[in-house]
Amino acid sequence: EPEVTQTPSHQVTQMGQEVILRCVPISNHLYFYWYRQILGQKVEFLVSFYNNEISEKSEIFDDQFSVERPDGSNFTLKIRSTKLEDSAMYFCASSGTGSMSDTGELFFGEGSRLTVL
Amino acid sequence: TQLLEQSPQFLSIQEGENLTVYCNSSSVFSSLQWYRQEPGEGPVLLVTVVTGGEVKKLKRLTFQFGDARKDSSLHITAAQPGDTGLYLCAGVRNTDKLIFGTGTRLQVFP
Repeated sequence: EPEVTQTPSHQVTQMGQEVILRCVPISNHLYFYWYRQILGQKVEFLVSFYNNEISEKSEIFDDQFSVERPDGSNFTLKIRSTKLEDSAMYFCASSGTGSMSDTGELFFGEGSRLTVL
Repeated sequence: TQLLEQSPQFLSIQEGENLTVYCNSSSVFSSLQWYRQEPGEGPVLLVTVVTGGEVKKLKRLTFQFGDARKDSSLHITAAQPGDTGLYLCAGVRNTDKLIFGTGTRLQVFP
């Protein structure tokens, strides 16, 4: 069964360092998302991406964040200068085949745990 | 802010008991989804409800979408230890953004 894969599963970084989290969405999906979940808290929307551009972003997704789809398969989230409060589990998701039978379900990866020291 | 409040926040019950989780908002959603998340994993979709008043059953799980499409409930009959997890409702409005609820952490003891 197709699945969303994320790497790394866990990254530890020093405050101020740049981090890139990588995702391989399901191959025929058209919409891509990043969510994050701070330990013990709710899942928060960061950004959605469609047709090679950001379609929506939350107030969390400030200038320190960027997303890219550098080739036909990867979808990356970059945090330019990490802060302590960026420590969280980051989930990538994809959805939407464009077909009439599309249920709108988001398929989530297993997450990348980011720890900022 | 499109808040989806879930209650209760935590629930610990014995195997065989019934339970209901509520998801409430002041906003109208075009559809509402329920996800279950296990530790160390991403959320996994359980069901999508679209029509106001809709009821969907998934084995021992019954999902209902409120008539006004502002709220939803998840009822589990005869809970089992395998039902343990974090249950998340998530609503869709007019965009492709999915807004997650605050979550209900369920623990079912044998």
